[in-house]
Amino acid sequence: AQKVTQAQTEISVVEKEDVTLDCVYETRDTTYYLFWYKQPPSGELVFLIRRNSFDEQNEISGRYSWNFQKSTSSFNFTITASQVVDSAVYFCALKGSGGSNYKLTFGKGTLLTVNP
Amino acid sequence: EAGVAQSPRYKIIEKRQSVAFWCNPISGHATLYWYQQILGQGPKLLIQFQNNGVVDDSQLPKDRFSAERLKGVDSTLKIQPAKLEDSAVYLCASSIDRSSYEQYFGPGTRLTVT
Repeated sequence: AQKVTQAQTEISVVEKEDVTLDCVYETRDTTYYLFWYKQPPSGELVFLIRRNSFDEQNEISGRYSWNFQKSTSSFNFTITASQVVDSAVYFCALKGSGGSNYKLTFGKGTLLTVNP
Repeated sequence: EAGVAQSPRYKIIEKRQSVAFWCNPISGHATLYWYQQILGQGPKLLIQFQNNGVVDDSQLPKDRFSAERLKGVDSTLKIQPAKLEDSAVYLCASSIDRSSYEQYFGPGTRLTVT
């Protein structure tokens, strides 16, 4: 069975601080996909990024960056110079490739509050 | 391009009553998903449709939940009778097809059962 663990339930930072959201996953599939979603107070899940298991290159998009390490089964998300608009719940998710693992399995989410 | 539409946005009912949620996916998306998101948890897949056929309903409590996607477009999720533990946000999502990596989510329906 697949599992995604987001150990940080809540994080509170002051604007302009950098913040890293942790994600650890478990799967027996050799091919899998990792995702980060943002859920603002409006409730809609917004797709941020997808990484394939065979591509360990880190990625940067503006103030966002992602660090994928297969050796530690982690896919961490860093926001640089955080802004109030970054306040939301962030979910890490895993999609496998075998049997029932094709379903998206979500972590419990991390509530990020960025204070002005 | 219009996103995934859901209605109602909020619903409050008493236990043992019935309730229905509606979802209109992005035009042309063959795959439709219903998720249940209990407070403090990540979304959990309830049912997945490919066109008007069910692909996966293994986590749907079939004694009280039902869903349909007639004509392969809109979908309705029903709960009858509702229990207190059904209080959650019900999210609908769609994707181009079942092999697509990206799912597009609607704003959800927040259900409170009293």
